[in-house]
Amino acid sequence: DGGITQSPKYLFRKEGQNVTLSCEQNLNHDAMYWYRQDPGQGLRLIYYSQIVNDFQKGDIAEGYSVSREKKESFPLTVTSAQKNPTAFYLCASSTGTPQGEQYFGPGTRLTVT
Amino acid sequence: AQSVTQPDIHITVSEGASLELRCNYSYGATPYLFWYVQSPGQGLQLLLKYFSGDTLVQGIKGFEAEFKRSQSSFNLRKPSVHWSDAAEYFCAVGADSNYQLIWGAGTKLIIKP
Repeated sequence: DGGITQSPKYLFRKEGQNVTLSCEQNLNHDAMYWYRQDPGQGLRLIYYSQIVNDFQKGDIAEGYSVSREKKESFPLTVTSAQKNPTAFYLCASSTGTPQGEQYFGPGTRLTVT
Repeated sequence: AQSVTQPDIHITVSEGASLELRCNYSYGATPYLFWYVQSPGQGLQLLLKYFSGDTLVQGIKGFEAEFKRSQSSFNLRKPSVHWSDAAEYFCAVGADSNYQLIWGAGTKLIIKP
């Protein structure tokens, strides 16, 4: 089955630790995205990538980093510089055209204490 | 700049009643319009999309949406809701100039038995 996988579903970390969220897609999509979702705030774009080895900051990139070494993979690292990292994180991919809808993974809920 | 407004944060509807969720967008040209649904703790699923042509678009799960250029709206409708429709619904708009989507804040649908 084609789709997007995110792991783990739930992640717990202590404050001050970096943590990496996994996102893998087998849809052969060029573009991939990371969103953060907080209650009542909809989706906010963290980073996006249209092609391997290239990515751009979204609206709330501070405290996050990404890499795009392979077309299938777009991991997100939440660094200790992110002041309020507890949130639901969603990864998505698309064909990279304006008409191409985004396909979403199941999400990772990160809790930092 | 593009923007998307979903005026209703919550909507409560009785099971079997009709539903209309509102979405207004701001964009100079004809936009690409999408409706997604998100069940609690899950990723987003595409319900339907509009690019051009017939302004009444049919989607999955019995949903439809109508594009009204004069009102800059893309409202989502369903003639008879089921308890399983309880979820959060997001409207999004894309443009020719990029491959990102601009998201509304979402409308949470509550179904009364």
